[in-house]
Amino acid sequence: DTEVTQTPKHLVMGMTNKKSLKCEQHMGHRAMYWYKQKAKKPPELMFVYSYEKLSINESVPSRFSPECPNSSLLNLHLHALQPEDSALYLCASRRNRDHNSPLHFGNGTRLTVT
Amino acid sequence: TQLLEQSPQFLSIQEGENLTVYCNSSSVFSSLQWYRQEPGEGPVLLVTVVTGGEVKKLKRLTFQFGDARKDSSLHITAAQPGDTGLYLCAGAKNAGGTSYGKLTFGQGTILTVHP
Repeated sequence: DTEVTQTPKHLVMGMTNKKSLKCEQHMGHRAMYWYKQKAKKPPELMFVYSYEKLSINESVPSRFSPECPNSSLLNLHLHALQPEDSALYLCASRRNRDHNSPLHFGNGTRLTVT
Repeated sequence: TQLLEQSPQFLSIQEGENLTVYCNSSSVFSSLQWYRQEPGEGPVLLVTVVTGGEVKKLKRLTFQFGDARKDSSLHITAAQPGDTGLYLCAGAKNAGGTSYGKLTFGQGTILTVHP
């Protein structure tokens, strides 16, 4: 079992819907990440939060809006998505900004945009 | 842009065979991490190699980090169907404290081990 919990596991939404993905970890990790992964491809970094502050936005379209309410929670708000945004969205956490410490991934939310 | 070239992209073998996956770059990395991802799950860390020339063993898996810290390999002995999955190498680079732990992922190797 992963120590990073993501909900929901699956989400189907229309292009006019607003939905949110949620991620939670209780390992005391202070860096949290959103990745997007297409089938059989590596994860692509979207956002990094470090100590609850947004530190990296990899030029992600504004229809994706991250939020870090506290050190344990990370949300990704979705609005007016396109079908090409369908993918597995992975949340990950890391103990701190130490570049050698590993990422702990959740099992992802499988998003389908219709 | 730091690139990590991972090969092969696909590998389909019979149970009991050996295999090696390679990860190469022209950049020096401070560490190299290997992850395995099974369908419907997130990637799970297998190992982190930090020192040039380092060799780490995890049961039937052997990981090497090149002397120059630009390349790495994963060797699996006597592969089993349970080894099936997407294998990802990921390089970390110390950018003077501003890297925020940003990893460079290789393109992945999809391994299928047939019984």
